[in-house]
Amino acid sequence: GAVVSQHPSRVICKSGTSVKIECRSLDFQATTMFWYRQFPKQSLMLMATSNEGSKATYEQGVEKDKFLINHASLTLSTLTVTSAHPEDSSFYICSARGTGHGTDTQYFGPGTRLTVL
Amino acid sequence: QKEVEQNSGPLSVPEGAIASLNCTYSDRGSQSFFWYRQYSGKSPELIMFIYSNGDKEDGRFTAQLNKASQYVSLLIRDSQPSDSATYLCAVPPSGGYNKLIFGAGTRLAVHP
Repeated sequence: GAVVSQHPSRVICKSGTSVKIECRSLDFQATTMFWYRQFPKQSLMLMATSNEGSKATYEQGVEKDKFLINHASLTLSTLTVTSAHPEDSSFYICSARGTGHGTDTQYFGPGTRLTVL
Repeated sequence: QKEVEQNSGPLSVPEGAIASLNCTYSDRGSQSFFWYRQYSGKSPELIMFIYSNGDKEDGRFTAQLNKASQYVSLLIRDSQPSDSATYLCAVPPSGGYNKLIFGAGTRLAVHP
């Protein structure tokens, strides 16, 4: 149980294009999903928290207009990187927190490696 | 002071030994504590969580929590080369927030 999927696992795009990443909780309903970014050999950086049906809460320094988050259902959240640039190249990881799995337990998706050329 | 602190390592232990990973946290109101393992190039996976003072065992893993000292540790018995990874300590802040605060992680290397 508590499986989270992400799609795509890897994406390469040209500078200026937008990329959408999907995060799904497969066997539980996720009231809250989280989006992280991780650069090589660095720690996880929380970008935003999304609750189903409401606007995402972004961490300080994260541009909400650049990283669009939609949490339209209890099993799906999407992150869209708009007008991507090479500095947006990173490992993007989502996690999901559901009821009945321990109050704060987060289960991570496998991550999406984004390369912007 | 960082909210969740871990020694970055690397912690090098021989195969079969006990690996001891430590984490301190600053928020006295935190109630739950998590250990995740992250292999290079992969996302974190939950190993275990602990809520109460004392020890909690799960297979070769034991989490130890001391709230008075604001200290949580993870012991790995009979360490295997496959345990070589970065171990992340995570703590939710008190005050009703949803998120977890992650430490920077300790890199463990188990050598044959």
